[in-house]
Amino acid sequence: DQQVKQNSPSLSVQEGRISILNCDYTNSMFDYFLWYKKYPAEGPTFLISISSIKDKNEDGRFTVFLNKSAKHLSLHIVPSQPGDSAVYFCAATRDSSNGGATNKLIFGTGTLLAVQP
Amino acid sequence: EPEVTQTPSHQVTQMGQEVILRCVPISNHLYFYWYRQILGQKVEFLVSFYNNEISEKSEIFDDQFSVERPDGSNFTLKIRSTKLEDSAMYFCASSKLGGPAEEKLFFGSGTQLSVL
Repeated sequence: DQQVKQNSPSLSVQEGRISILNCDYTNSMFDYFLWYKKYPAEGPTFLISISSIKDKNEDGRFTVFLNKSAKHLSLHIVPSQPGDSAVYFCAATRDSSNGGATNKLIFGTGTLLAVQP
Repeated sequence: EPEVTQTPSHQVTQMGQEVILRCVPISNHLYFYWYRQILGQKVEFLVSFYNNEISEKSEIFDDQFSVERPDGSNFTLKIRSTKLEDSAMYFCASSKLGGPAEEKLFFGSGTQLSVL
């Protein structure tokens, strides 16, 4: 079941440059998309999200872009910092059948970002 | 900042044994979850819990699994008879609301379960 795919297992970027992490999905019923960051020996930490009715959401150095026609989203980090080095998970979810949203998240396999000083 | 705490951080057990993984969610949160990540694979949803009952569960969450909120602060995941394939990092999470989906889930640091 590969509903959410992150095709790049790793990415290396120089400090100060832009990091672009990509995610593709197959289920057109997804309503929300989220990015989580995970450091070793810690649980995933919420980073940023976007609703399917939007195409961009920005929070400081982090911007998520959603292209619904391509079923693709990306996370841009600019400028990248060494402390951003972590595994980044893309996740998606949909409203439940009773009309309320659900926090059942479908995760991708993650991309390990290494920001070189 | 309040956090979700999980104990133990590592659990080693023999195949066929019962294990209980423990979690203390954030105190004013109402929704609780278990996820797991098998080494090298994606994080997978197991179960969500609200108002003392399961609100949703995945195909993974079969009869060998159960969850309980035995008191006002703890949330547990029990695996009745562990199998080798249950070896994984188990994450507990909680949220104040069940939705909209933008409501943040707060994850604990996980319990690494190793079944021998």
